Amino acid sequence: DQQVKQNSPSLSVQEGRISILNCDYTNSMFDYFLWYKKYPAEGPTFLISISSIKDKNEDGRFTVFLNKSAKHLSLHIVPSQPGDSAVYFCAAKGYKLTFGKGTLLTVNP
Amino acid sequence: GAVVSQHPSRVICKSGTSVKIECRSLDFQATTMFWYRQFPKQSLMLMATSNEGSKATYEQGVEKDKFLINHASLTLSTLTVTSAHPEDSSFYICSAIIQSQADSYNEQFFGPGTRLTVL
Repeated sequence: DQQVKQNSPSLSVQEGRISILNCDYTNSMFDYFLWYKKYPAEGPTFLISISSIKDKNEDGRFTVFLNKSAKHLSLHIVPSQPGDSAVYFCAAKGYKLTFGKGTLLTVNP
Repeated sequence: GAVVSQHPSRVICKSGTSVKIECRSLDFQATTMFWYRQFPKQSLMLMATSNEGSKATYEQGVEKDKFLINHASLTLSTLTVTSAHPEDSSFYICSAIIQSQADSYNEQFFGPGTRLTVL
């Protein structure tokens, strides 16, 4: 039973455009959501997070939106850069972190 | 950010042997470390939570006698896969939380992972 789902295994966008990565969850008890970025042969690194009491958090080019009624969150990257190419994991915090399967983002020059 | 290292990065072993993976926090003390496993095209799955000086807490379905975890110091946790079998082949990643921010998952730092292949 997958509680955190990233239904798009991959996404390809053009440099300068917006990248939108999506994540759905099923457990309404999750109180915190995080996005991690992972390059090959490296561990995930924290990118941005949002508390369940908020609906938006912005940090530079990265914005996370949370829709609690739909149990959906998204990560917006604008403008996208080639260096953003990586696997992005959505994670939700209950008593532990539960991760999605990840989405491979490719930003083409 | 803080650095977490893992050793080895890759290991190939024969079925039935044991393999030890080390996880170190290089520039901070970590009272809590986590061990994850990731199968191809799957999500990171928490295996166990390792607390310095006490027994690890294993997730449901993870055999504690097969995956031995030792957290003997504030900077080192080890995972030993005993009597490894081909189905144990996976990517194992550890992470550590900075002691002063134990409730902040923003401060969970991940190691680079260890690729285990059991022949």
